[in-house]
Amino acid sequence: DTAVSQTPKYLVTQMGNDKSIKCEQNLGHDTMYWYKQDSKKFLKIMFSYNNKELIINETVPNRFSPKSPDKAHLNLHINSLELGDSAVYFCASSQNVPDGKGEAFFGQGTRLTVV
Amino acid sequence: GNSVTQMEGPVTLSEEAFLTINCTYTATGYPSLFWYVQYPGEGLQLLLKATKADDKGSNKGFEATYRKETTSFHLEKGSVQVSDSAVYFCALGNQAGTALIFGKGTTLSVSS
Repeated sequence: DTAVSQTPKYLVTQMGNDKSIKCEQNLGHDTMYWYKQDSKKFLKIMFSYNNKELIINETVPNRFSPKSPDKAHLNLHINSLELGDSAVYFCASSQNVPDGKGEAFFGQGTRLTVV
Repeated sequence: GNSVTQMEGPVTLSEEAFLTINCTYTATGYPSLFWYVQYPGEGLQLLLKATKADDKGSNKGFEATYRKETTSFHLEKGSVQVSDSAVYFCALGNQAGTALIFGKGTTLSVSS
C-alpha cells in the first residue's frame, strides 16, 4: 500500500504542451510538497501546501501551478513546457510538526522529458 | 540562512570497505537532521534521523551522530555492500512553514 503515490512515472512530451502530474498520500499528513531534481541530483523545493493552503512558493516560472483539492492530494500543472523543464519531479508529504522538524515521505518521482 | 554541505562524490569503494560521507550544516537553534537514500530510479527514503545534540541515528548498519559543537552529521557504515550503491542526501529541518533543506547528494558506488 503506497504511502505517497504520483502519476505518471514517466512523461515524454513536446515543447509547448501542457501537462499535469498527480500526487496522493494516504498517511494522513497535513503538508505536501513538490520538489524538482535536476540532472545533477540537486533537489529544489518548488511548492508546499498545508491543509490546502499554499505556504511555500519558491521562485519558479508561473507556468507551474500547483493545486490541492484536499489535504491528501497535490497536483502540479505545467503550461507551455520548455526543454529546461526536463527533470524528475518528486511529491512529498509530512506531518504538520509545529517546529518544522518532521521528516518528509517521498513518492517515486515523475521523470519528465520535454522534446 | 539554513544550509547543508556534504562531500562531493562520487565515492567508489570495494565491498566490505568502511564508508564515511561528511555532512555539515548551518542553522540557528536546534534543527532535526536526516540522511535520505535514493536508489536508482526510485524516490528518496529516510535512512536515519536525529533530533537533538548527541543523538545517534542508526539503520541498516548505517550510523550518524548529531554533533552540535562541530555542526556535523557524518554518515558511516563499517562494511558496505554492493546493494548500498545509491545517492545519499543529508538534510535538515528547522522552521515551521519551511521544507527540508537538502545537501547536493553524494553518489556511492560499491563494487564486488
